[in-house]
Amino acid sequence: EVQLVESGGGLVQPGRSLRLSCAASGFTLYDYAMHWVRQAPGKGLEWVSGISWNSGNIGYADSVKGRFTISRDNAKNSLYLQMNSLRAEDTALYYCVKGRLTGTTYFDYWGQGSLVTVSS
Amino acid sequence: AIRMTQSPSSFSASTGDRVTITCRASQGISSYLAWYQQKPGKAPKLLIYAASTLQSGVPSRFSGSGSGTDFTLTISCLQSEDFATYYCQQYQSFPHTFGQGTKVDIK
Repeated sequence: EVQLVESGGGLVQPGRSLRLSCAASGFTLYDYAMHWVRQAPGKGLEWVSGISWNSGNIGYADSVKGRFTISRDNAKNSLYLQMNSLRAEDTALYYCVKGRLTGTTYFDYWGQGSLVTVSS
Repeated sequence: AIRMTQSPSSFSASTGDRVTITCRASQGISSYLAWYQQKPGKAPKLLIYAASTLQSGVPSRFSGSGSGTDFTLTISCLQSEDFATYYCQQYQSFPHTFGQGTKVDIK
């Protein structure tokens, strides 16, 4: 059974950093692209970042470009999101999401999310 | 970035209704279009990919069509468990943008 478990969320002050982790199980991370998608309270879905199977293709939403960094460790079956210079508007539930294929692809499994709250 | 626009943003319907949600891309995306369903407090669930391919396990009352810039999601006979918010998403290129969502609630 595919499982994606996010961790690392919490309350952080504006301007500070936070690192999200996603532990994958039930499949081999190496074979798939992975993504982070967020959802602000009461709002819609926003794609944040994606990374191909071998980290050769990486993309970011304009809203986080230059502040967030996605990475993966296939040996540890883990995905990460380093978030720097956090802003109030980054407050959201962050989902770890599995791509169906190795590169540009739709999303077939979602974690339950990790809540990030940016507030002083 | 490719902008995805859904319509309507919300509407009310009754069980048994046939409902259609539209999604328009700001530029052509071929068939790189997926639809997701989200219920309150839950993670989204994949319904359709490649614009018209039903994900395994999804009821056949859901269908998708379109290519290029214009797409539709149709629920042929609305069931109680279908009241939810629906999102389209393009995955042709980064950023993989979502539509703003369409909330379907009970009339």
